[in-house]
Amino acid sequence: GAGVSQSPSNKVTEKGKDVELRCDPISGHTALYWYRQSLGQGLEFLIYFQGNSAPDKSGLPSDRFSAERTGGSVSTLTIQRTQQEDSAVYLCASSGPKGGPTDTQYFGPGTRLTVL
Amino acid sequence: GENVEQHPSTLSVQEGDSAVIKCTYSDSASNYFPWYKQELGKRPQLIIDIRSNVGEKKDQRIAVTLNKTAKHFSLHITETQPEDSAVYFCAATPFSGGYNKLIFGAGTRLAVHP
Repeated sequence: GAGVSQSPSNKVTEKGKDVELRCDPISGHTALYWYRQSLGQGLEFLIYFQGNSAPDKSGLPSDRFSAERTGGSVSTLTIQRTQQEDSAVYLCASSGPKGGPTDTQYFGPGTRLTVL
Repeated sequence: GENVEQHPSTLSVQEGDSAVIKCTYSDSASNYFPWYKQELGKRPQLIIDIRSNVGEKKDQRIAVTLNKTAKHFSLHITETQPEDSAVYFCAATPFSGGYNKLIFGAGTRLAVHP
């Protein structure tokens, strides 16, 4: 079946603009994660959605970052007033059917964000 | 919060040699430890994982060991091949109101030379 998909694959924006990144998880997966990977760095946890529970937002670096998940499926990560330090690859992952990190997380191809 | 340290940051071996990557974690309640492989320009993929009730797990040329007392776990790759060249990430699940996220190490860039 189809894997995790993300769009756009690349996004170039100017400092101060808002951006929206989209993630389509694997059908039936209840858990969805967003990570950030800066150049040559590891994966930094941002936010976790599990079913209808309140999301774990503990990894969001500032209040300029927010995410939502509509209908328990598609998720959108929004970055307001982008800064140059926001430049990174944003990766989405999903797991299921139970969800939770002990289920294998399947990653999307990522969105490469460049803030000029 | 949980902190995962990974060493070495880079590792260069000759084809056929073994490679070992080590990680330590800080949260003694962590109970799940996966390893991901990320080839250049591609997405991370799970290659092996271990749970806290197990000390060792093998899958062909790959093995992972866990020492809960010392809070460290290691990835062992035997008979390395050029296609093993990639960045490897370890991760752990801390307890923070539930086990609901992975904290990753900074990664190890493995180069296998023919």
